[in-house]
Amino acid sequence: AQSVTQLGSHVSVSEGALVLLRCNYSSSVPPYLFWYVQYPNQGLQLLLKYTSAATLVKGINGFEAEFKKSETSFHLTKPSAHMSDAAEYFCAVSRPFYGNNRLAFGKGNQVVVIP
Amino acid sequence: DGGITQSPKYLFRKEGQNVTLSCEQNLNHDAMYWYRQDPGQGLRLIYYSQIVNDFQKGDIAEGYSVSREKKESFPLTVTSAQKNPTAFYLCASSPSGLGGEQFFGPGTRLTVL
Repeated sequence: AQSVTQLGSHVSVSEGALVLLRCNYSSSVPPYLFWYVQYPNQGLQLLLKYTSAATLVKGINGFEAEFKKSETSFHLTKPSAHMSDAAEYFCAVSRPFYGNNRLAFGKGNQVVVIP
Repeated sequence: DGGITQSPKYLFRKEGQNVTLSCEQNLNHDAMYWYRQDPGQGLRLIYYSQIVNDFQKGDIAEGYSVSREKKESFPLTVTSAQKNPTAFYLCASSPSGLGGEQFFGPGTRLTVL
């Protein structure tokens, strides 16, 4: 079975400071990994995805994530937080060997940006 | 513009009533999904469908039913058997190729009174 762990349901960061959201997965085979962002009362929007190409993945809005197989991690970072980054962020994993794009999601990180 | 629409945005129902949530996509995606979102729980998969006239249970299918009669439509019925139906419901779709991301609709917030 696969699972995704995101520690810290609420993350506070000062405007201009580094944003770091941690994601660890468990999977017996290399997975596909995703980060999504959700603004209040909206659907999810894809930030970036890893599909076994480059291990450092760049996404929208200045975010990037690095796939580390040895650590089974896919942490999300942004060098300088903006007020508009306040949202909920979800890490997700899929198991391509099952022949579908079904995702398992972490419980999310609610990011608060402090002026 | 291509995308996923869910209607209505807000839905109120009395306890014991069945209710159907609409999901339509014009992305020509083969696969569609329904998720339930509760605060602090992340997204949990209710049902998914990889092709017309076929669907599979997800992790929390009890008390829900779906149909997939058309490629672009995947309605979800919340039945009276669902013990705690008040939640935010999200529909998504994805292309059939592996590694394709899921595209999400804006969601329906269901409140059972």
